[in-house]
Amino acid sequence: EAGVAQSPRYKIIEKRQSVAFWCNPISGHATLYWYQQILGQGPKLLIQFQNNGVVDDSQLPKDRFSAERLKGVDSTLKIQPAKLEDSAVYLCASSLERGQGNTEAFFGQGTRLTVV
Amino acid sequence: GIQVEQSPPDLILQEGANSTLRCNFSDSVNNLQWFHQNPWGQLINLFYIPSGTKQNGRLSATTVATERYSLLYISSSQTTDSGVYFCAVYHGGSYIPTFGRGTSLIVHP
Repeated sequence: EAGVAQSPRYKIIEKRQSVAFWCNPISGHATLYWYQQILGQGPKLLIQFQNNGVVDDSQLPKDRFSAERLKGVDSTLKIQPAKLEDSAVYLCASSLERGQGNTEAFFGQGTRLTVV
Repeated sequence: GIQVEQSPPDLILQEGANSTLRCNFSDSVNNLQWFHQNPWGQLINLFYIPSGTKQNGRLSATTVATERYSLLYISSSQTTDSGVYFCAVYHGGSYIPTFGRGTSLIVHP
């Protein structure tokens, strides 16, 4: 079974530029998450999707971050414009179900973003 | 929101030693996962354990949900066990994994 795929693996941009990350979850997984992990800290949730609907985006900085999952499969996370403090690893995860079902989350390899 | 505390924050072992990592949480949880983040940043699933004890080779985990903690045991540690160990809890109706700050483990040969 293929795991969660993310691209690119690394990205270096200048501040005020825009950047987009792509995620393809495990086949059949209805729930998709985007996390931000700053060096030395645990991952922090940015947004959770159930199929193509947003469940929780309360911690997403909506003035500069956006995310979509148009057909309930792949997802993209965009930052525009980027700030220096956005330098982090962006992790995508998926799980089979939400709620009382199987919620075990599986993570991709992440995209390491450096903003200079 | 729920607080997730992991201890110790850092651990240095000699190869072959045993260790216990702890995860405390401030409220009731629906489920709990342990992950190993390898030096390349990949989060590897270790255990999905809302309660009770599970074992997988040299690793085992115990969650006592009523007392709001989970333990990860590593026996006969190897250099490949090095990395950061995270616990993540599923709390309330959100079913969103909330992570602790992790335990950084270094195993020397």
